[in-house]
Parts: sequence; structure tokens; C-alpha cells
Amino acid sequence: GAGVSQTPSNKVTEKGKYVELRCDPISGHTALYWYRQSLGQGPEFLIYFQGTGAADDSGLPNDRFFAVRPEGSVSTLKIQRTERGDSAVYLCASSEASGGRTQYFGPGTRLTVL
Amino acid sequence: GENVEQHPSTLSVQEGDSAVIKCTYSDSASNYFPWYKQELGKRPQLIIDIRSNVGEKKDQRIAVTLNKTAKHFSLHITETQPEDSAVYFCAASNGGANSKLTFGKGITLSVRP
Repeated sequence: GAGVSQTPSNKVTEKGKYVELRCDPISGHTALYWYRQSLGQGPEFLIYFQGTGAADDSGLPNDRFFAVRPEGSVSTLKIQRTERGDSAVYLCASSEASGGRTQYFGPGTRLTVL
Repeated sequence: GENVEQHPSTLSVQEGDSAVIKCTYSDSASNYFPWYKQELGKRPQLIIDIRSNVGEKKDQRIAVTLNKTAKHFSLHITETQPEDSAVYFCAASNGGANSKLTFGKGITLSVRP
């Protein structure tokens, strides 16, 4: 079946602009995670959804970052007033449920803030 | 919170040799330990995982061992092939209501033909 998909694959924006990154999880997966991966580093946790609700947003770096998952499927990560330090690959993962189940990753969105 | 460290940061082996990659973790509550392989520009892909109720798991040329007392786990790849060249990440989670993964920094494995 189809895996996790993310759009766009690349996003170039200017400092101060607003961006939205989209994640389509595997159908039926209730748990959805956002991670951020900087060059030469492992993915870092941002936020976790169980269904429609954000169960843990402790990884969001500041209030410029926000994510939603209104119908319990597609999720959108929103970044306001982008800064150059936000440049990274944003990865989405989904799993059947929480509790140590396998997380399947999407291809990521490479965000470049000029 | 959890802290996961990987050693070494790079590893080069001759094709056909074995490779061992080690990780340590800090949170004794962690009970789920996946390994992901990431090729350049691609998504991380799960290659094997282990839960804390077992000490070893094998899948063809790949095995993972876990030492809960010492809080470390290792990835073993036998009969390495050039296509095994990639960045390998270990991760840990407590497998609870929120199974967020804490990743190590990754190890670049190069298999010389």
C-alpha cells in the first residue's frame, strides 16, 4: 500500500515568511509524529498526534511552530515568521498506534529559509 | 529526558566483513529500540527493532543485541555489501502512551568493494 507522503518535497522561502508543510500518513494509522532533521544529525522530535489531538508538543522549539490534524488523518505543520535557523528536513512518521509500534517515515520536506 | 549516543561516528569495512555499531541510552524506562537506515536524500527506513523483553533478535544478515543493565544496544551486520553503505540511526522510546523516538546522531557506514 501507499506509504507516508509529504508535500512539498522542497520549499524555499524568505526570512519572515509563513510556510505550511503537509503530511499524509498511512491509511488507518492513528499516531502521527513530526520530526526535524538538521544536516549530520538524527531526527529530533517536534510533536505527536493521537487521532486529532496533539498529545505531546514538547518538542516544538517556540510558538512560531504549530501543527494541526483536524480529521485525524492529514497533518499540517505551520511555521510563522521563518528564520534561517529553521532550515532543515522536516520528517513525518505514522504508526498504527502508540506504545512502541513501528514508525514509518515519509520522504521529508526540505525547507530552506534564505 | 532520554539521551542516545552512537559510537563511532563513521565506520569503514571491507566488503564481506562484519560491522558492529553501538548505542547507549540514558533512560532506564526505555523499552523499545529501533534501528533505521537512511541513504542520502532518502527517508529513514526501519531495518530491525528490539524490545526490552528480549536480548537478541536476528533477521538474515542483521542482528541487534540489547544489554539493559549496561543500557546499550548494538547493530551487527554480517557479510557486508556495498549497498549496506548508508547512515544508520539508533533510537529509543519508552513505548508508553507517547512513543516519541529519541535518535542518536547517526553513523556513516562505508563498505569498500
